[in-house]
Amino acid sequence: DTAVSQTPKYLVTQMGNDKSIKCEQNLGHDTMYWYKQDSKKFLKIMFSYNNKELIINETVPNRFSPKSPDKAHLNLHINSLELGDSAVYFCASSASGGLVSGANVLTFGAGSRLTVL
Amino acid sequence: AQSVTQLDSQVPVFEEAPVELRCNYSSSVSVYLFWYVQYPNQGLQLLLKYLSGSTLVKGINGFEAEFNKSQTSFHLRKPSVHISDTAEYFCAVSLGGSNYKLTFGKGTLLTVNP
Repeated sequence: DTAVSQTPKYLVTQMGNDKSIKCEQNLGHDTMYWYKQDSKKFLKIMFSYNNKELIINETVPNRFSPKSPDKAHLNLHINSLELGDSAVYFCASSASGGLVSGANVLTFGAGSRLTVL
Repeated sequence: AQSVTQLDSQVPVFEEAPVELRCNYSSSVSVYLFWYVQYPNQGLQLLLKYLSGSTLVKGINGFEAEFNKSQTSFHLRKPSVHISDTAEYFCAVSLGGSNYKLTFGKGTLLTVNP
């Protein structure tokens, strides 16, 4: 069983479209994240949710809206896609409650490669 | 705010040679340090972590790293690399506690040649 699964793996779309990426984890973690990896491989956090509550919201355009229906799912919706949104988006999860339980040790999904034409 | 600098963007080595990938961090408070590996077209996998205690930490696949507080470094080492170690390696730092933010360095591409 895949611990952190993202769909779709590849997404090719036109500028101006709206798209969503879904993420699910079966690790029982209560914190989930979205990271963006650009063409130079640089990884930057976008959002983090803990028990469905938004706890990290970096400087990300309003066109990006995360949604966490429950602590096992964190979806990312992107409106009015732009060329610069082309990247690999990684979902990740971790336990909370302190270092003993593995807090801050992230388990990553395989990534979703978004290409905006 | 914490930051991470990986001094080498690319490190080419020959198979069975030793390798060191350098990482320096900046923070005004205690930090927790990590190395992640990304194989081509895959997600990131945890190699090892330093949270507290012994400054020499051992990870998977024969890698180890040493936390040096005075030099604010956390260099990754392997005494003998294999072709299969070819990947992108990321150093990362977290302030821990209720701070869930993991800040990554820009990565080092390790290429192991036969």
